[in-house]
Amino acid sequence: KAGVTQTPRYLIKTRGQQVTLSCSPISGHRSVSWYQQTPGQGLQFLFEYFSETQRNKGNFPGRFSGRQFSNSRSEMNVSTLELGDSALYLCASSLSGGPRETQYFGPGTRLLVL
Amino acid sequence: GESVGLHLPTLSVQEGDNSIINCAYSNSASDYFIWYKQESGKGPQFIIDIRSNMDKRQGQRVTVLLNKTVKHLSLQIAATQPGDSAVYFCAESGRYSTLTFGKGTMLLVSP
Repeated sequence: KAGVTQTPRYLIKTRGQQVTLSCSPISGHRSVSWYQQTPGQGLQFLFEYFSETQRNKGNFPGRFSGRQFSNSRSEMNVSTLELGDSALYLCASSLSGGPRETQYFGPGTRLLVL
Repeated sequence: GESVGLHLPTLSVQEGDNSIINCAYSNSASDYFIWYKQESGKGPQFIIDIRSNMDKRQGQRVTVLLNKTVKHLSLQIAATQPGDSAVYFCAESGRYSTLTFGKGTMLLVSP
């Protein structure tokens, strides 16, 4: 069974631009979560989607948004990029997003904002 | 929110040694914990998990210990190999799929 895939793997943008990242979960998984990883803050939860609905959201500004499609694939968007948005963005999937389900992570998209 | 933290940022061991990575958590209501391994350039990889109704769980070369009295979690790796070199995170699973991660411990294994 293929793992979680994320595209693109690397991205360079400039301040003020917007970016869209894509995540394809493991086949059969309906819950997709997004995390931001930086050296200073570590891994931080962004949001979680299940059945095309955002079910939980972390403490990030409204510039960070996401969506999920009927095939469970998910995208996240960051508008008006800031230098501090440079990070590794990780997507994780699980069967239904239950509190004791294992989440499987993709390789991440490394975003550099100049 | 409450956080999950790690005591040691870097752990250096010799190949063949046993490694112990520690984690403290502050939310006494936490009932599910996971250890992830992250190698350079990759996403976190699931290693082992444990529920709060257990105090020990074993996998292949790994053992997780949970001490709810002092809110402490540890990961033991037996016969550590160079391929075990990575950053290890403990995480607490909260409501739905919200994972709260510790800052991570880097394990360096010397041949």
